[in-house]
Amino acid sequence: GQNIDQPTEMTATEGAIVQINCTYQTSGFNGLFWYQQHAGEAPTFLSYNVLDGLEEKGRFSSFLSRSKGYSYLLLKELQMKDSASYLCAVRSFSGGYNKLIFGAGTRLAVHP
Amino acid sequence: DAGVTQSPTHLIKTRGQQVTLRCSPKSGHDTVSWYQQALGQGPQFIFQYYEEEERQRGNFPDRFSGHQFPNYSSELNVNALLLGDSALYLCASSLEFGGEEAFFGQGTRLTVV
Repeated sequence: GQNIDQPTEMTATEGAIVQINCTYQTSGFNGLFWYQQHAGEAPTFLSYNVLDGLEEKGRFSSFLSRSKGYSYLLLKELQMKDSASYLCAVRSFSGGYNKLIFGAGTRLAVHP
Repeated sequence: DAGVTQSPTHLIKTRGQQVTLRCSPKSGHDTVSWYQQALGQGPQFIFQYYEEEERQRGNFPDRFSGHQFPNYSSELNVNALLLGDSALYLCASSLEFGGEEAFFGQGTRLTVV
């Protein structure tokens, strides 16, 4: 079966660093995505990993280990506007097609 | 460049009724996927359309159906609405070949009463 796990909630302080972990068990792995979603809004793309290692984009970095079925999203210099849900999604290739499978999301609350 | 647009943004329906939700993909995108997102949950895959055909389907009953038009826009239809169908319905567009991430529309908030 397909399974993606991530913590339900996290809290952090403005200016700090937070790491959101994601573990997955999926067939046909074809990339891992992180999306940010503010309440009532559409998910917006943050990062994409298909090979092992770290991808850095400004204050956001994402890491992937395919052998361990593990990824994390690292947010640095946290700002209040970073309070949102963070969705880990695996692109699964099956039957000749790709589809995205999402975790339940991690709600991050950033406090002053 | 217009992103993914969905209509309507909010909708209230009564149990047993039928609803149609619409999606226009990002310019140049040819693949449309629909997701249902219940409150506090991640998006759940409903189905995907490419070249006007449904080619993948998640674990949703036949009450959920869809269509893709030649201009790549898409509709999601839900028949015999249940209270449990209340959710945010998201449309995502992507490229079949090339490109990486899927782009999401702002969603349609459906409330069934």
